[in-house]
Amino acid sequence: QVQLVESGGGVVQPGRSLRLSCAASGFTFSSYGLHWVRQAPGKGLEWVAVISYDGSNEYYADSVKGRFTISRDNSKNTLYLQMNSLRAEDTAVYYCAKDRSGDYVLVSWGQGTLVTVSS
Amino acid sequence: DIVMTQSPESLAVSLGERATVNCKSSQSVLYSSNNKNYLAWYQQKPGQPPKLLISWASTRESGVPDRFSGSGSGTDFTLTISGLQAEDVAVYYCQQYYTTPPGTFGQGTKVEIK
Repeated sequence: QVQLVESGGGVVQPGRSLRLSCAASGFTFSSYGLHWVRQAPGKGLEWVAVISYDGSNEYYADSVKGRFTISRDNSKNTLYLQMNSLRAEDTAVYYCAKDRSGDYVLVSWGQGTLVTVSS
Repeated sequence: DIVMTQSPESLAVSLGERATVNCKSSQSVLYSSNNKNYLAWYQQKPGQPPKLLISWASTRESGVPDRFSGSGSGTDFTLTISGLQAEDVAVYYCQQYYTTPPGTFGQGTKVEIK
């Protein structure tokens, strides 16, 4: 079955960088778009970024545009999120999620990794 | 961006009773060319990631119990849990995928047992 396993979260100071990874298995990785969605403590879901199946297209939420970069390595079945210039408001659990068919319906989710931005 | 507004923020329902969650979009998510509503519902149980329940406003995912149903069209949608079970305690989110990016979520509705 589909498995998505995030890693790379932790405590980081404001202004610093962090890279998240999401290791995927159980499906043809190179055939699906992938997303990052975050959830601040006690809050709702916020879509962060998406990358197309072949990595040729990326889109970002306005709140992270210019600071975060989504990427993928189809040879390693791994999705990444490079987060630069981190702010306190970026504190959240970050989920990677598999797209159904390019329509932003998120059919499979990882367990998430917690990023805490604090001095 | 399309804004999704859910109501109520929380509700408490007795076991076996009906729970109703509402979702309103700031503009229509009905695509006229295929007559489909680009609206999904997700369930998030405590300590777990979200799970897709329903897409196209009313199409249940495989394995989702039939006590969960979705209805509505255009800008107004409803998720109904007919006969609430203890395992249905969760936060429920609607999401529009008519205009992407982003695929905006509602703020969530917490369903509890009375």
